[in-house]
Amino acid sequence: KQEVTQIPAALSVPEGENLVLNCSFTDSAIYNLQWFRQDPGKGLTSLLLIQSSQREQTSGRLNASLDKSSGRSTLYIAASQPGDSATYLCAVKPGSARQLTFGSGTQLTVLP
Amino acid sequence: GAGVSQTPSNKVTEKGKYVELRCDPISGHTALYWYRQSLGQGPEFLIYFQGTGAADDSGLPNDRFFAVRPEGSVSTLKIQRTERGDSAVYLCASSPKGGGYEQYFGPGTRLTVT
Repeated sequence: KQEVTQIPAALSVPEGENLVLNCSFTDSAIYNLQWFRQDPGKGLTSLLLIQSSQREQTSGRLNASLDKSSGRSTLYIAASQPGDSATYLCAVKPGSARQLTFGSGTQLTVLP
Repeated sequence: GAGVSQTPSNKVTEKGKYVELRCDPISGHTALYWYRQSLGQGPEFLIYFQGTGAADDSGLPNDRFFAVRPEGSVSTLKIQRTERGDSAVYLCASSPKGGGYEQYFGPGTRLTVT
């Protein structure tokens, strides 16, 4: 059974710092990996989708990498801002299934 | 364009009652997913529809939970004899097809069973 782990569970940084969020998964046979953002009391906003054949994806200040063989992904946020404060969730789509398997998320606080 | 919508946004019900939660996917999306998110956890899969049929309902916790999508668009998640442990946020997502397509999530319905 696929398991997804996100470390750390919570992170607090001063504004302007570059930071890395980590995601690991136990079964490397994935179809793709998605990073989401969730604001308190809200749904999920998709940030980046990496297909299994890709190594990274970039969108603005965000860069996500994927190392399928080692079962790891990182989300890099450059020049963090208070508006980046949210919970970031990593999810993988196993090769044999349609649904996503999620980690528990990293709660990020960017202090002004 | 319009995103995924869910109604109601909040639902408070008494233990033992029946509830229905509605999901309106993005127009043209054939795949629809229901997930449940407990406090401090990531969403957990409940059921997946491709068109009108439930292609995978392996995540439904027991037979009190049932979902339909009769015309291949709007879906309703139905919970019978609600229990306090059913309290969670129920999220709906849709995608153009199944497979490797990106999933787009709605705002969720927060269900509280008292």
